[in-house]
Amino acid sequence: SAVISQKPSRDICQRGTSLTIQCQVDSQVTMMFWYRQQPGQSLTLIATANQGSEATYESGFVIDKFPISRPNLTFSTLTVSNMSPEDSSIYLCSVADSRAFFGQGTRLTVV
Amino acid sequence: GENVEQHPSTLSVQEGDSAVIKCTYSDSASNYFPWYKQELGKRPQLIIDIRSNVGEKKDQRIAVTLNKTAKHFSLHITETQPEDSAVYFCAALYVDSNYQLIWGAGTKLIIKP
Repeated sequence: SAVISQKPSRDICQRGTSLTIQCQVDSQVTMMFWYRQQPGQSLTLIATANQGSEATYESGFVIDKFPISRPNLTFSTLTVSNMSPEDSSIYLCSVADSRAFFGQGTRLTVV
Repeated sequence: GENVEQHPSTLSVQEGDSAVIKCTYSDSASNYFPWYKQELGKRPQLIIDIRSNVGEKKDQRIAVTLNKTAKHFSLHITETQPEDSAVYFCAALYVDSNYQLIWGAGTKLIIKP
């Protein structure tokens, strides 16, 4: 299984600022995914990030708010821009080959 | 689009008893069904999965069954232990996408001592 390192593990940010979350994988993977998970809720897919192409965003999520980079097959970043308290959540990166695995998650609190 | 329903939302069982969590899916073309366990404050961890060419898969105290005709699959945990307490998520692979998993809402499993 892929080993995924996600950072930061948590952060407290001021509203109006931006936070970039990084996800590093120990092997090359084609597909990476970014999820948001509210406390006590299921996983909501934000976007799919494939290397060499623009990220594909799910309904309700836009590139201006959640820009994603995927410069190579082992790394991706998600930026949460112009944050508001409603963006407080856990953000998870995930990779999939034949199975899906997750990073440790980033617990974001916007004050 | 694909939809996955998961029941119950909360399940409380006595230690040593069995627990069963059920999921139904809508896309008949789905062919892969994983189960994840998420402990408080931790990432989801894959515990077992099944592909559509088999009807049952077991791994020690955990088993998953799949009924393709009825489009439902279930997680069975036998001889439950306190460390089984967690939130469990089912998922189904949405065939028309790039390996996009559609997630159930989750089941909070409580093991009573």
